[in-house]
Amino acid sequence: QKEVEQNSGPLSVPEGAIASLNCTYSDRGSQSFFWYRQYSGKSPELIMFIYSNGDKEDGRFTAQLNKASQYVSLLIRDSQPSDSATYLCAVNYGGSQGNLIFGKGTKLSVKP
Amino acid sequence: DTGVSQNPRHKITKRGQNVTFRCDPISEHNRLYWYRQTLGQGPEFLTYFQNEAQLEKSRLLSDRFSAERPKGSFSTLEIQRTEQGDSAMYLCASSSPGHYYEQYFGPGTRLTVT
Repeated sequence: QKEVEQNSGPLSVPEGAIASLNCTYSDRGSQSFFWYRQYSGKSPELIMFIYSNGDKEDGRFTAQLNKASQYVSLLIRDSQPSDSATYLCAVNYGGSQGNLIFGKGTKLSVKP
Repeated sequence: DTGVSQNPRHKITKRGQNVTFRCDPISEHNRLYWYRQTLGQGPEFLTYFQNEAQLEKSRLLSDRFSAERPKGSFSTLEIQRTEQGDSAMYLCASSSPGHYYEQYFGPGTRLTVT
């Protein structure tokens, strides 16, 4: 069973703080890792992807990947109330050419 | 707007009826995916197409579900003899050549089976 695990939260942080979201995956064949943001009632929006071990930064977002530990994380710096959403971690299934496996998501709440 | 579009956005149907959803991908994207999402869960993969060819189907896709992409452009997902357990958000995504895993979602079709 290919699994992606996330803490469901809610994760509550004050405005301006760093939010740290974590994800573990079971398939060692996975090579591509994604973070999607989903506002309530809306569809997922791709915000970050990472393919190599280490950090990848894009604006206030940093994705971190550790393939040896099968762990990927998303840091959101200077969190804003507009960042309040559910963050979905997705991983490609190593035995497929198109199938993404999603975690259940972590709900983030940024308090003003 | 050049994003993925889906129609209808909402569909309410009675158990046993057939429903069909449409997805129009981003124009230069040759891959199209269907996912299903229920409350509190992440999207679950159903099937995907590369151009007009259906390359993979999940075991979640029972024989009541069928998807087509006849000309390699838009796609349709049909559910026959709907059941209450089919109530979910049906999401379509597309991706471009060489960036297959970078999938961009449409707004979804919310299906309610009464």
